[in-house]
Amino acid sequence: DAKTTQPPSMDCAEGRAANLPCNHSTISGNEYVYWYRQIHSQGPQYIIHGLKNNETNEMASLIITEDRKSSTLILPHATLRDTAVYYCIVRARHTGNQFYFGTGTSLTVIP
Amino acid sequence: DAMVIQNPRYQVTQFGKPVTLSCSQTLNHNVMYWYQQKSSQAPKLLFHYYDKDFNNEADTPDNFQSRRPNTSFCFLDIRSPGLGDAAMYLCATSRDRGALGEQYFGPGTRLTVT
Repeated sequence: DAKTTQPPSMDCAEGRAANLPCNHSTISGNEYVYWYRQIHSQGPQYIIHGLKNNETNEMASLIITEDRKSSTLILPHATLRDTAVYYCIVRARHTGNQFYFGTGTSLTVIP
Repeated sequence: DAMVIQNPRYQVTQFGKPVTLSCSQTLNHNVMYWYQQKSSQAPKLLFHYYDKDFNNEADTPDNFQSRRPNTSFCFLDIRSPGLGDAAMYLCATSRDRGALGEQYFGPGTRLTVT
C-alpha cells in the first residue's frame, strides 16, 4: 500500500472548518483513500473514503485532487468533540482489507 | 449498542505471565483483526482472521498468538509478556476481506506489564 504523509498537528477554532491535508504521491490506480480518527483512549472510527471523486457524508467531506496524489478531509464546522488524531490511509480494494496506519494528524479544536 | 466489545478494558499482568485478551462482535462480520498501539504511536496490525483462515503479519513476534473459536469471538494470547508489550490492544472487524468499507473498532484493552 502507498505511504501517506500528514502534518503531525493542527489547530482549528471551534465553529470553523478544519482542513486536514494528506499526501499520497505514490498512490496507484486501484487504491482508495480512507480517513479514520481516534479520540483519546478510544478505538479508531471510520469517517469517509473515496477513489477519485469528491465524497461527502454526515461527518465530513473528502476532496481528492485530479492527479490523486493528495487529498483533504474537511470538517465543515469543527466542535470540541472533533479533537482527535486523524489518519489518512490508502488501500487497494483487494489486498486483504488490511489497514496500515501512518502517523496521523493530531487536531486540536480550540474554544 | 456495542458492536465490537473488548474485555477487560484494563489488564495488568506480570512479566512473563501469560495473558489473554478477548474480543466479541455482534456484527456477524467475517474478518477480525488485532492491532497493537503503543503510546503516541499509530495502531500496528498484528494479524487477522478471515473466517477461520489465520493471517499473520510478517513482523508479528511469535510471542503473540490468536484464536477464533467461532464467528463472534477472537482472542489474543501473549505467551510471555515483556515490558515492551505494554500497549493498547485494539480489535476490529470488517464485513469481508475484499469488500470496500470500514473496519469497526472496539474500545481497546490497555495492557500493563509489571
